[in-house]
Amino acid sequence: DVKVTQSSRYLVKRTGEKVFLECVQDMDHENMFWYRQDPGLGLRLIYFSYDVKMKEKGDIPEGYSVSREKKERFSLILESASTNQTSMYLCASTPLAGDNEQFFGPGTRLTVL
Amino acid sequence: AQKITQTQPGMFVQEKEAVTLDCTYDTSDQSYGLFWYKQPSSGEMIFLIYQGSYDEQNATEGRYSLNFQKARKSANLVISASQLGDSAMYFCAMREGPGGSYIPTFGRGTSLIVHP
Repeated sequence: DVKVTQSSRYLVKRTGEKVFLECVQDMDHENMFWYRQDPGLGLRLIYFSYDVKMKEKGDIPEGYSVSREKKERFSLILESASTNQTSMYLCASTPLAGDNEQFFGPGTRLTVL
Repeated sequence: AQKITQTQPGMFVQEKEAVTLDCTYDTSDQSYGLFWYKQPSSGEMIFLIYQGSYDEQNATEGRYSLNFQKARKSANLVISASQLGDSAMYFCAMREGPGGSYIPTFGRGTSLIVHP
């Protein structure tokens, strides 16, 4: 079974803190994605990566950065957390080619106080 | 303009009845894929069903079927014989083919509540 894990289910941070959200997949997928999910807005793509050390901006990259040093791990970084970054963060992965569904992690609910 | 439109923020259905969740999409690509996902209150996204743009038959997976009307650009999800466990958020998504970015785009979701 494909497994995508995220480092935390719930996280509470203070404004201005640097926040790391980690995502690991065990199926050797090339593509990895970070989304944020807010009520009424669906899933919005923050960043994605199609290979190690490769990254592309999604629809809402402002305030975020990412790191992919190993194929299985894709990290989302909030350099200086703000209250408007309080949200649910979902990580997903897929193989490089083909019409494959995305495999999602359980999500991290981040609250910034 | 939104690429995926789900016009029903919330839907209610009686247990054991069928329900249709609407999804329309916008693309100029000839090759694309359409997906439906379920998100229970636990938060994890669960893949339900896939339809390729060149598939002539409507996709089916158990109680789920996808009513694909290419000319109308709609990809409605039909859940037959609803169960209480079907209560969840449902998301429609599209991944465009060679002319697009291969990056999936999601709709805003429909909240389904199944009444006993």
